[in-house]
Amino acid sequence: EDKVVQSPLSLVVHEGDTVTLNCSYEVTNFRSLLWYKQEKKAPTFLFMLTSSGIEKKSGRLSSILDKKELFSILNITATQTGDSAIYLCAGKDGGATNKLIFGTGTLLAVQP
Amino acid sequence: KAGVTQTPRYLIKTRGQQVTLSCSPISGHRSVSWYQQTPGQGLQFLFEYFSETQRNKGNFPGRFSGRQFSNSRSEMNVSTLELGDSALYLCASRLNPGAQGNTIYFGEGSWLTVV
Repeated sequence: EDKVVQSPLSLVVHEGDTVTLNCSYEVTNFRSLLWYKQEKKAPTFLFMLTSSGIEKKSGRLSSILDKKELFSILNITATQTGDSAIYLCAGKDGGATNKLIFGTGTLLAVQP
Repeated sequence: KAGVTQTPRYLIKTRGQQVTLSCSPISGHRSVSWYQQTPGQGLQFLFEYFSETQRNKGNFPGRFSGRQFSNSRSEMNVSTLELGDSALYLCASRLNPGAQGNTIYFGEGSWLTVV
C-alpha cells in the first residue's frame, strides 16, 4: 500500500533558526514529490520535485529529492513567525491514477 | 482568476444526518479531487472526478459519494453521519489528471462538525 511518512510530527523553534522537515515515501509508479504549506486554510503549493539530487529553492525555502533512498527534505533557513504552518508532503503516482498520497504533515511553530 | 471555491465553509450536523458539500474548480480545470483532513490521519484521498466520471477512489465507506457536473463543479455527499466524520473536507482542482507537472490547487475547505 502506498504511504508517505513525515517527521517530525511537530516542532517548535525560535525565529532565526533553521529547520529540516523530512518526508519518506513508498509510492507505486512514483513520479514526483510535492510540498505544500497549510496555514489556516487551503494548502498552498511550494515545490514539485521530479529529479533526484536537484535542489529547488524559493527564498529561504529549499527542497531536495533522493529517489534512491525514497525521501525528500524541506529546509527553511532564518525562520520567521510567518513560517508557522503545517507542511505537507505528497507523493504522486505516475500511473493511470496519477493521484497524490499525502503524509500527515509536520506542524511547525516559530516563536518570536 | 478565481481559485477553488467551496461551500459551505462551516457546518454542524447531528449523527445520522446527511450532508452535501460543493466545490467549484478553477476556471478551465476539469479534474476535481476531494480529501478529508483530520489531526490524526492527515490528508486522506476520497475520490477524483474528471469529465463527470469518477476516476479514482480512496478507502472510504460507501456513505461517502460524489459527482461532477458538466461544468466541472463537483459535490460530495456523506450519508448517515458519524462523529468520526468531523473533519476539514478539502477540494482540489487541476487541469486534468493525465498531464505530468500538473499542479493541484486546493480550496479553503468545508469544516464539518458532527455532534
